[in-house]
Amino acid sequence: GDSVTQMEGPVTLSEEAFLTINCTYTATGYPSLFWYVQYPGEGLQLLLKATKADDKGSNKGFEATYRKETTSFHLEKGSVQVSDSAVYFCALSVDSWGKLQFGAGTQVVVTP
Amino acid sequence: ETGVTQSPTHLIKTRGQQVTLRCSSQSGHNTVSWYQQALGQGPQFIFQYYREEENGRGNFPPRFSGLQFPNYSSELNVNALELDDSALYLCASSPTGTGPDTQYFGPGTRLTVL
Repeated sequence: GDSVTQMEGPVTLSEEAFLTINCTYTATGYPSLFWYVQYPGEGLQLLLKATKADDKGSNKGFEATYRKETTSFHLEKGSVQVSDSAVYFCALSVDSWGKLQFGAGTQVVVTP
Repeated sequence: ETGVTQSPTHLIKTRGQQVTLRCSSQSGHNTVSWYQQALGQGPQFIFQYYREEENGRGNFPPRFSGLQFPNYSSELNVNALELDDSALYLCASSPTGTGPDTQYFGPGTRLTVL
């Protein structure tokens, strides 16, 4: 079946450091890939998406590139802020109805 | 503000009881999905409803059931509660067939089963 694997957390960084969160997937067909963010006490928010191979999703300084050859969708940000502290989820969808398969989540803690 | 609300915010039940969780979506959002998020885990897809009919189901037993109403509200019902049902339950709604990037999540209902 379809699945998403992402690196375990917590990931602890200093402000202005570079962030990478690894995500790999297994899917039949050609999934769309997503990164969601869950801030403390808030609901899930879509951060970025990519719908086909080699697409790059970007938002709020975060980027991720859909790599079909390595079945990966790693999230990166060049300079994190304390406000980026949250749990990040990688997810995939194999249909247009938005049924999502999530990874386990990676907690990111950014210290001043 | 996503326009998706859930009630109650928190709920405590005992094993064997039944529970109903509610979700209210934006007008025009006639697709709603429910997810279960256990502590420290990612959300797991329970089922989806479209125009009051079930439109796909994840790997959850039949004691998890749902309803969707014409006024864009929906319910998740769980019978014969088990300790492992303790989780955050999320609903997400979207306009028809527009895909996950127009899907909005509610803040969730935290269910504790004792």
